[in-house]
Parts: sequence; structure tokens; C-alpha cells
Amino acid sequence: SYKLTQPPSVSVSPGQTATISCSGDKLGDENACWYQQMPGQSPVLVIYQNTKRPSGIPERFSGSNSGDTATLTISGTQAIDEADYFCQAWDSSTSSHVFGPGTRVTVL
Amino acid sequence: EVQLVESGGGLAQPGGSLRLSCAASGFTFSDYFMHWVRQAPGKGLVWVSHISNDGSTKNYGDSVKGRFTISRDNAKNTLYLQMLSLSVEDTAIYYCARDVSGASDFWGQGTPVTVSS
Repeated sequence: SYKLTQPPSVSVSPGQTATISCSGDKLGDENACWYQQMPGQSPVLVIYQNTKRPSGIPERFSGSNSGDTATLTISGTQAIDEADYFCQAWDSSTSSHVFGPGTRVTVL
Repeated sequence: EVQLVESGGGLAQPGGSLRLSCAASGFTFSDYFMHWVRQAPGKGLVWVSHISNDGSTKNYGDSVKGRFTISRDNAKNTLYLQMLSLSVEDTAIYYCARDVSGASDFWGQGTPVTVSS
């Protein structure tokens, strides 16, 4: 089955840029999306269709997807961005959605 | 305001069954694909199933295929998940979510399912 890989954790200083990768075979051929999840809360969509931000999501969140890797970038990271981030993509071979294992972003 | 409210979770014995519901409001339910996603305690998100807006297309994750059935009643604005042959590995919070271009833009608060003897 299709597998997405993310780093378990990313640390970033306040005001700096956090970059979270999501890797999968030919991931760039599919649309990737990203969710933010705070402890004890439901996930929130922050990026869909590789680069689009839903209404209400700050501009500091951006996304890209090419080759085998999708990337979520948080520019000017703030303490409130400390959360788990999950990527998701469609696996056309099995007609199923797949989530990455998640990346914990820590703002030091 | 878009709202998704799950219900029906609780304690089930191994081999037992549960039926989850998700009541939708604040949008035209019949226009949207819908998903079920689950999250075991301390673990990541796992996609369970989705259903097309008219109910004609349904897909399932490998871990639930053949045991879970997704359905919807557009007249009642409600999404369902019938879960059979439950095992301890099905213990999780179950979320319903609305689809937008293959992503989930609104999520419910989740309903917890515990499978234990």
C-alpha cells in the first residue's frame, strides 16, 4: 500500500521558518494537503491542492509539491503554531486516502 | 456555520458492532463527499472511508474493508458508519469530515470508540 513519510519532529525558533516534508512515490502526481492538530482538538486544514490556503489560514502557511516530496512551510513561526502536522494524499492505485505519520513542530 | 456532530461511540466488546452517526448542518449536505477518519490514542490520523455526495461511490481503507460500511441519508443530512466485527485495534476517536477537492475542510469533534472485553 502507498506510504507517506514525514520527519517525527521539527524544531524552530520564534520568527524563523519551519519546513516539514512529506515523501511518497511520485507524490507530485497527486494533490497533497496538510492538517494542523493541537492537543485534544480536531484537525484543521491548512493547505489543500498542494498550495491553496483555506479561508482564515494565515499567509505564513504555504505549500508545494513536486517529484516525490510535498512541503509545508511556516514562515515567521509563532508559538501558537506549535502542533502536530499531517500530510495527506490520494492513492489512485487503491482508491484510498493516505495520511503521513505526522510531524510535531516545537517552537523553542 | 458549518457543523458536524458525531454520535454513537462508546464501549463495545471484541466481535461486536456499533453504528456511528454524523449530523451535518450549515451547508448543503447533498453537494459534498464525506469522510470518516480515526485516531487511536496517542497515534496519527487514519483514513477510514469516504462516500460520494449521492452515495453511489464508497471507498474504504484496508484495515476496515469488509467490516465497516459507510452510508448517508441526504434527506436527514446525516452520515453513518456501520462497524462490525470490532477488534481492540479499532479503538480510536472517529471523526467525520467534509470533503473539498480531496481534502477535509471541516471536521466534527469526534466520537470515541473503545473495544474491550
